[in-house]
Amino acid sequence: KQEVTQIPAALSVPEGENLVLNCSFTDSAIYNLQWFRQDPGKGLTSLLLIQSSQREQTSGRLNASLDKSSGRSTLYIAASQPGDSATYLCAVVGFQKLVFGTGTRLLVSP
Amino acid sequence: EAGVVQSPRYKIIEKKQPVAFWCNPISGHNTLYWYLQNLGQGPELLIRYENEEAVDDSQLPKDRFSAERLKGVDSTLKIQPAELGDSAVYLCASSLGGGAAQETQYFGPGTRLLVL
Repeated sequence: KQEVTQIPAALSVPEGENLVLNCSFTDSAIYNLQWFRQDPGKGLTSLLLIQSSQREQTSGRLNASLDKSSGRSTLYIAASQPGDSATYLCAVVGFQKLVFGTGTRLLVSP
Repeated sequence: EAGVVQSPRYKIIEKKQPVAFWCNPISGHNTLYWYLQNLGQGPELLIRYENEEAVDDSQLPKDRFSAERLKGVDSTLKIQPAELGDSAVYLCASSLGGGAAQETQYFGPGTRLLVL
């Protein structure tokens, strides 16, 4: 059974810092990995999707990497802003099924 | 383009009462998902529909939970009777469908259920 773990569970940083969120998974037989953002009281927004054959994806200040062999992914956020405050969830895709991690709650203070 | 619509947004009920949640997916999306998200946890899949067919309901507690998507568009998730442990957020998502594992799922805002 696929298990997805995210570290740290919570993170508080001052505005402008670069930061890294970690995601690990137990079964490397995945189709892809996605990073989502969840704001309080709102649904999930897909940020980045990395295919299993890829090693990284970039969107603006976000960069996600994937190392299937070690079962790890990282989400790098450059020059963090208060608007980045949210919960970040990674999810691995098996056969048409997303398995989510427990999330990292990020607070960026001005 | 309208996103995934869910109602109600919030629901408070007493235990043993029935409750129902409604979801309207993005137009043209054939695949619909219901997820359960407990506080501090990631969402967990309850059921997945391809058009009107439930193709994965292995995680749906069938003794008290039921779902339907009669015309392959809107879907309803029901709990009867509700228990205290059912307090959670129920998320609906949709995707284009067709069996592509790489397709993106689009999530609704969720229904927050509190069972007293």
